[in-house]
Amino acid sequence: EPEVTQTPSHQVTQMGQEVILRCVPISNHLYFYWYRQILGQKVEFLVSFYNNEISEKSEIFDDQFSVERPDGSNFTLKIRSTKLEDSAMYFCASSEGPTDIPRKAFFGQGTRLTVV
Amino acid sequence: GQNIDQPTEMTATEGAIVQINCTYQTSGFNGLFWYQQHAGEAPTFLSYNVLDGLEEKGRFSSFLSRSKGYSYLLLKELQMKDSASYLCAVSIYNQGGKLIFGQGTELSVKP
Repeated sequence: EPEVTQTPSHQVTQMGQEVILRCVPISNHLYFYWYRQILGQKVEFLVSFYNNEISEKSEIFDDQFSVERPDGSNFTLKIRSTKLEDSAMYFCASSEGPTDIPRKAFFGQGTRLTVV
Repeated sequence: GQNIDQPTEMTATEGAIVQINCTYQTSGFNGLFWYQQHAGEAPTFLSYNVLDGLEEKGRFSSFLSRSKGYSYLLLKELQMKDSASYLCAVSIYNQGGKLIFGQGTELSVKP
């Protein structure tokens, strides 16, 4: 069964460093998302991406965050200067094309980011 | 604002039936989703409702009443492996497929 894959599974970084989290969405999907989940808290929406541009972003997704689809398969989340409070599990998700309403999102296994 | 409420935790017995409730107050409702999440793992899609009524998928069913802002997930013939967190999430119209999640209900299935 097709799945969303994320790398790395764990990332430890020093405060102030840049990190890039990588995702390969399901191949025929056109909508891509990043969510995060701080330990013990609920899953929170960060950003959605369609047709090579951001279609929606949350208040969390400030200037320190950016997303990119550098080629036909990868979707990345960059955090420019990490803060302690960025420590969380980051989930990538994807869903099908425009006729899939509401959009059923399928999630990757997540990257656990720890900022020290 | 957008608000989704579900019980924090529930306990049930193997082989039994359990109902997990979710209430929501959102604007631009476009559908309600249920996900299962085992500790440290990704949310896994279970079911969704757009219109009022019951959707059945094997041991799992989900119900929606839009007028009451209410949904439930029904799990039948509980198995130990059903011990997990169950997440209620609302899709908002015209917001790029964004899902707003509730806190999740931690279900423990006992022998």
